[in-house]
Amino acid sequence: AQSVTQLDSQVPVFEEAPVELRCNYSSSVSVYLFWYVQYPNQGLQLLLKYLSGSTLVKGINGFEAEFNKSQTSFHLRKPSVHISDTAEYFCAVSRRLTGGGNKLTFGTGTQLKVEL
Amino acid sequence: DTGVSQNPRHKITKRGQNVTFRCDPISEHNRLYWYRQTLGQGPEFLTYFQNEAQLEKSRLLSDRFSAERPKGSFSTLEIQRTEQGDSAMYLCASSQEQGIVGWTGELFFGEGSRLTVL
Repeated sequence: AQSVTQLDSQVPVFEEAPVELRCNYSSSVSVYLFWYVQYPNQGLQLLLKYLSGSTLVKGINGFEAEFNKSQTSFHLRKPSVHISDTAEYFCAVSRRLTGGGNKLTFGTGTQLKVEL
Repeated sequence: DTGVSQNPRHKITKRGQNVTFRCDPISEHNRLYWYRQTLGQGPEFLTYFQNEAQLEKSRLLSDRFSAERPKGSFSTLEIQRTEQGDSAMYLCASSQEQGIVGWTGELFFGEGSRLTVL
């Protein structure tokens, strides 16, 4: 079975400050990890993903994440946030399905609130 | 816009009524997924199609729920005899055949259909 834990339900941060959103996973099979962002009243948008290779993954909007197998973590970071980064962020672990599909198991999300 | 399209965006219904949601995936995507998202939670997998074949269903998908994808294009999710516990956002996503690009694992989500059962 796979699971994802996002320990912080809300993270307030001032504009231009750095931020880290934490994600820990549990998986008994090969690990594929994702971060999605959800803006109010919108669908989920992929920020970045780890499938294999380099453990430091860079995504859109200046976000990056580091896969740490020994700590079973995939924390999301941004060195300087903007007001427009205010959104809900979801970490997910993937299991490949019959036929090559992809079943995502999501965490409960972290609400990032950027303040002036 | 050629993203994933879902209709209706909002549906309010009375307990016991049937509702149907429609999802139009990105045109070249042969895989389609339904997820459910309740307040304060992450999306939960419901079911998955490859072309017209429904290959996996979650235990969350009770017998009141049925999903179809005729001809491997759009999909419908029907909920019969709705209950208040069905109130949620229903998200549709699609993904691409592996092909020359290789497996990317990325799902493209629609904006969702919000169901409120009174």
